Amino acid sequence: SQKIEQNSEALNIQEGKTATLTCNYTNYSPAYLQWYRQDPGRGPVFLLLIRENEKEKRKERLKVTFDTTLKQSLFHITASQPADSATYLCALDENTGTASKLTFGTGTRLQVTL
Amino acid sequence: DGGITQSPKYLFRKEGQNVTLSCEQNLNHDAMYWYRQDPGQGLRLIYYSQIVNDFQKGDIAEGYSVSREKKESFPLTVTSAQKNPTAFYLCASSRGNNEQFFGPGTRLTVL
Repeated sequence: SQKIEQNSEALNIQEGKTATLTCNYTNYSPAYLQWYRQDPGRGPVFLLLIRENEKEKRKERLKVTFDTTLKQSLFHITASQPADSATYLCALDENTGTASKLTFGTGTRLQVTL
Repeated sequence: DGGITQSPKYLFRKEGQNVTLSCEQNLNHDAMYWYRQDPGQGLRLIYYSQIVNDFQKGDIAEGYSVSREKKESFPLTVTSAQKNPTAFYLCASSRGNNEQFFGPGTRLTVL
């Protein structure tokens, strides 16, 4: 069966450190993968998109890698800040059509402390 | 300001009633989506629409219905056939298969 796995336990790190979140998938052939941030009681906010033929993508303090052999994506936040505390969702899309049909993981809650 | 809006923010329904959740976008996006989120779970796709007057079932369409008469609007009706409708409902839109823009959500509670 198809499965997307993210760390179900919260990730606690100290301010200034690098946070690394993992997204593993089985029985998917994603055309691309997306990462979103979600704060409590709010809709998700898009962060980064990486396509199957890309190894790495960066945006300011964020970096995402995509290894289709390992079936894994890693999401890094460098120089983390308390404001980065939120739940981070990964989402896969196998569709290359005119709309994205995303399948989401359950998310990892990140807590950055002073 | 461009964006996507949902209303109401909170909705209470008696068992056996149909309710309609509103979703409007002024981003000029062709594609729109409805998701359901339960505590501790990821978002699950209910319905999506790639173009006006066309929509497709997602993974959990049973007990729900949608319409797409205008590009800007994609209302979701939760029917009495939906056995466990209490959840957080999220609407989104996108330009093609790019990133999705989400609304603030509607929290539906069945009394």
